[in-house]
Amino acid sequence: DTGVSQNPRHKITKRGQNVTFRCDPISEHNRLYWYRQTLGQGPEFLTYFQNEAQLEKSRLLSDRFSAERPKGSFSTLEIQRTEQGDSAMYLCASSPSGGGAGTEAFFGQGTRLTVV
Amino acid sequence: GDSVTQMEGPVTLSEEAFLTINCTYTATGYPSLFWYVQYPGEGLQLLLKATKADDKGSNKGFEATYRKETTSFHLEKGSVQVSDSAVYFCALSITGGFKTIFGAGTRLFVKA
Repeated sequence: DTGVSQNPRHKITKRGQNVTFRCDPISEHNRLYWYRQTLGQGPEFLTYFQNEAQLEKSRLLSDRFSAERPKGSFSTLEIQRTEQGDSAMYLCASSPSGGGAGTEAFFGQGTRLTVV
Repeated sequence: GDSVTQMEGPVTLSEEAFLTINCTYTATGYPSLFWYVQYPGEGLQLLLKATKADDKGSNKGFEATYRKETTSFHLEKGSVQVSDSAVYFCALSITGGFKTIFGAGTRLFVKA
């Protein structure tokens, strides 16, 4: 297994366009997370899946954002009507379930979104 | 709410110098504590962790001790190398929760 994979690595889009990112977690991991990281800041939690169920969404995730994990494997994050403030690095992470709060999350390299 | 505060960077050191990056936390529950590292061009990766008070996490010469009385988890290394240049993130995860809360990160530059 090569770890958590995210595509694309970079995306430049015009304001108002829709974009979709994909995350392929480590194959045996039930838990999948999306984070957003802006320059000079740490990652901020966006949403969490246990298998195909989306169990938590942050207040940061406005109505323009939607995430899915249809078969409990890969996940997509879509941003509709992008705004310049959406420019950030979007990180995906996965972890096995059952390990408690001390369980390590494995991160992908992220998708860097630039809205122009 | 739960939060992590770490010292601002950048931190610039000469090779073989001693490193300390301070981290304090606020948590409503009983957290597990982590240090993640992000090398240039790479994704976040776990450096070390501690899951209960007085535990010491260690890896690659780095150490951090979970201090409940001071709500701290300071990162230390006795002799840094150029290859340690990276951004270091202190983080916590609450028992029964599922998300990790990160500090803002501290960039470390090590000069040869």
